[in-house]
Amino acid sequence: SYELTQPPSLSVSPGQTASITCSGDKLGDNYACWYQQKPGQSPVLVIYHDNKRPSGIPERFSGSNSGNTATLTISGTQAMDEGDYYCQAWDSSTVVFGGGTKLTVL
Amino acid sequence: EVQLVESGGGLVKPGGSLRLSCAASGFTFSSYSMNWVRQAPGKGLEWVSSISTSSSYIYYADSVKGRFTISRDNAKNSLYLQMNSLRVEDTAVYYCARELGTASDYWGQGTLVTVSS
Repeated sequence: SYELTQPPSLSVSPGQTASITCSGDKLGDNYACWYQQKPGQSPVLVIYHDNKRPSGIPERFSGSNSGNTATLTISGTQAMDEGDYYCQAWDSSTVVFGGGTKLTVL
Repeated sequence: EVQLVESGGGLVKPGGSLRLSCAASGFTFSSYSMNWVRQAPGKGLEWVSSISTSSSYIYYADSVKGRFTISRDNAKNSLYLQMNSLRVEDTAVYYCARELGTASDYWGQGTLVTVSS
């Protein structure tokens, strides 16, 4: 079965750039998306179709997807960006999620 | 405003059944494919099932295939998940989510299913 691999955790200082990777075989051949989830809350879509931002998502969130890796980049990371981030893609009529990355801003 | 409200969760014994519902409002429900996604306590997101607008295309994760059935009633703006032969490992918060292309752009608040003896 298809797998998406994310680093379990990432720490950044406020104002720095956070880059969260998501790896999967030929992931760049499919659209990738990213969700943010804060404790006790439902996931929120922050990037879809590799690099598109839904309305209401700040411009500091951006995405890319090429080869075997999709990347979520948060420029000028703020304390409010702390949370878990999940990548997701479709493969052979199934939806696959990455294991999630816990982003800490300190 | 798009709203998705899940209901039907609760405590059930292993081998039991439960039917989850998701009431949709604020958008044309019949125009969107829908998904069920679950999250076990302290764990990541796991896709469960997807259904197309007219129920022509239905997909399941291997972990629930043959035990769970997704369905929808476009006249009632509702999505369902019939869960049979429940196992302890099915314990999770179950979310319904609206599909936007290959992503889910709106999620409900979730309903907790606990499978325990």
